[in-house]
Amino acid sequence: NAGVTQTPKFRVLKTGQSMTLLCAQDMNHEYMYWYRQDPGMGLRLIHYSVGEGTTAKGEVPDGYNVSRLKKQNFLLGLESAAPSQTSVYFCASRPGPGTDTQYFGPGTRLTVL
Amino acid sequence: AQKVTQAQTEISVVEKEDVTLDCVYETRDTTYYLFWYKQPPSGELVFLIRRNSFDEQNEISGRYSWNFQKSTSSFNFTITASQVVDSAVYFCALSGRRILTGGGNKLTFGTGTQLKVEL
Repeated sequence: NAGVTQTPKFRVLKTGQSMTLLCAQDMNHEYMYWYRQDPGMGLRLIHYSVGEGTTAKGEVPDGYNVSRLKKQNFLLGLESAAPSQTSVYFCASRPGPGTDTQYFGPGTRLTVL
Repeated sequence: AQKVTQAQTEISVVEKEDVTLDCVYETRDTTYYLFWYKQPPSGELVFLIRRNSFDEQNEISGRYSWNFQKSTSSFNFTITASQVVDSAVYFCALSGRRILTGGGNKLTFGTGTQLKVEL
């Protein structure tokens, strides 16, 4: 049972480049989340999904897109990266309604030059 | 609105000292959950504890203990006899009944407390 995994662990992009971050969970969880962590700001919710085929915006969705084609995977896309998107990105999953605990992946450190 | 305040940005202690990390929260919900997560230098977020708003019993797990007081909206975390391996950033978080637009409950994090335990 790997839990929540994220690919890649590190990435450096140039401004304007695109990339996709992959989150996978093997716990059959319904809900999945993408957060970004910036110094002094805690974690902020970017997008989330309450089930396969559904996605919704969180607090800071601008500049990101997501897809949840399979229950176990939640992809975060940056179409045109900007330096302001330099951050550590965390994916989390949660079993579903009735239990609030979210389990986090190891994070992806992204630098946009 | 939900808010979590961790006023202590950084705490330094010497090994074997006891240390308390403060967490104060705000919510209009009557039913909610409180959490603590640990982020060691390796960067991952590790779930430590969840407490629901109807359970004000203190909890102890080894050297860790948590004190939940609804009267002061606080959920403090104490490490007894701290060790170097306790060095990490600790986040307090709150999940209320407020439903996100697309479903699910919003989890609000504090800004974290950096704990440094030195020999």
